[in-house]
Amino acid sequence: QKEVEQNSGPLSVPEGAIASLNCTYSDRGSQSFFWYRQYSGKSPELIMSIYSNGDKEDGRFTAQLNKASQYVSLLIRDSQPSDSATYLCAVNEGTSYDKVIFGPGTSLSVIP
Amino acid sequence: SAVISQKPSRDICQRGTSLTIQCQVDSQVTMMFWYRQQPGQSLTLIATANQGSEATYESGFVIDKFPISRPNLTFSTLTVSNMSPEDSSIYLCSARTDENQPQHFGDGTRLSIL
Repeated sequence: QKEVEQNSGPLSVPEGAIASLNCTYSDRGSQSFFWYRQYSGKSPELIMSIYSNGDKEDGRFTAQLNKASQYVSLLIRDSQPSDSATYLCAVNEGTSYDKVIFGPGTSLSVIP
Repeated sequence: SAVISQKPSRDICQRGTSLTIQCQVDSQVTMMFWYRQQPGQSLTLIATANQGSEATYESGFVIDKFPISRPNLTFSTLTVSNMSPEDSSIYLCSARTDENQPQHFGDGTRLSIL
C-alpha cells in the first residue's frame, strides 16, 4: 500500500514566523510532488510542484525535495493569517503518471 | 492552468435516488479525475476518466455505483447511484493537461443524503 504521510496538526505559528510542513512518501518510484492549499469549504488549490531534488522557491513559499530520504517539505516564510488552511501533500504513484496519492493534510493556523 | 466548472455546487437528495455531477474544463485535457472528500478527511480517488475509453476505478469503487462518462476532452460526468446517507460527501472533479503536470480542481459538489 503506497502511502503519503504528513506531520500531524494542527500547527500553530505566530504571524511573521516560518511555518514548516513535512511530508514523507513510501513509493521510491515517485517523480512528481505537489503541495495544495485547501481553505475550509473550498477545493484544493495548487501552490507548488517540484520534480527535482533541492529547493524551489515561489514568493514566500519554498518546496524542498529529498528523494533519497523520500521527503518533501513546504516552508512558508512571513506567515500571514490568510495562510491559515489545510495543506495537502500529493505524490504521483511511481508506476503511473496518472494517479496521485494525497496525504491526510496538515492544518495550519497563523495567529495574529 | 485549466479552469474547471462543476455543477451542481450542492444538493440535498433522498436516499435511493441518483445524482449526476457535471464537470466542464475550458480547454482540452488528457486526464480527468473524480475524488470524494468526506468531512475532515483527505481526498480519495474514485476513478480516472479517459476520453474514449472506460473509466478506471479504484479499489472500493464500482461502476454500478459511480458510473462515469467522458464523451470528449473537455467534459465528464459522475453519477452517484442509489444514494444512501453514507454517500454524503464532497465530490471533486480535477483535470490535468499532460503527464506529470499537476491536477487542478473544480469547486466541488457538496452532497447530502437524507
